[in-house]
Amino acid sequence: GDSVTQMEGPVTLSEEAFLTINCTYTATGYPSLFWYVQYPGEGLQLLLKATKADDKGSNKGFEATYRKETTSFHLEKGSVQVSDSAVYFCALLNGGGTSYGKLTFGQGTILTVHP
Amino acid sequence: KAGVTQTPRYLIKTRGQQVTLSCSPISGHRSVSWYQQTPGQGLQFLFEYFSETQRNKGNFPGRFSGRQFSNSRSEMNVSTLELGDSALYLCASSLGGTGKGSTEAFFGQGTRLTVV
Repeated sequence: GDSVTQMEGPVTLSEEAFLTINCTYTATGYPSLFWYVQYPGEGLQLLLKATKADDKGSNKGFEATYRKETTSFHLEKGSVQVSDSAVYFCALLNGGGTSYGKLTFGQGTILTVHP
Repeated sequence: KAGVTQTPRYLIKTRGQQVTLSCSPISGHRSVSWYQQTPGQGLQFLFEYFSETQRNKGNFPGRFSGRQFSNSRSEMNVSTLELGDSALYLCASSLGGTGKGSTEAFFGQGTRLTVV
């Protein structure tokens, strides 16, 4: 079945540092890929998405490129802020059939940014 | 445009009781999915409804059930509660079609269920 693997966490950075959170996936077909962010006590917010190979999703300074050859969708940000502290989830969605509405999530990576 | 609304935000129930959680999707969205989030198991898919029909179901026991109404609002029910059912329950809504754009899911804030 489909699966998503995120880098082991937590990740602790100083403000303005460069961020990379690795994400690799296993899936049949051509899934859509997502990064979601969860702040304490909140639900999930969609951060960015990519729906086909070589697509780059971007939002709020975060970027991720859909790499089919390496089955990866790594999240990057050039300069993190304290307000970026949250839990980040990589997820995939395979289309149709028995996969309707089913997002498959990675285990989540806790990011803490210090001033 | 209002987002996904889940009620209640917090619930405390006793083992053996049953509970019903509610989810109102974004206006115009016809698909509602439910997830269970726990520290040990992470985010796990429960089921998905589209136009009042369950299209997909995860690997949860029959104590977990759901339904969707004609206005796309959805409820999930857990019967005979167990301590292990304590979790954050999240619902997500989407347009629900098969095109790539229509599968983008938007989440509610969740219902925190504690079973004692």
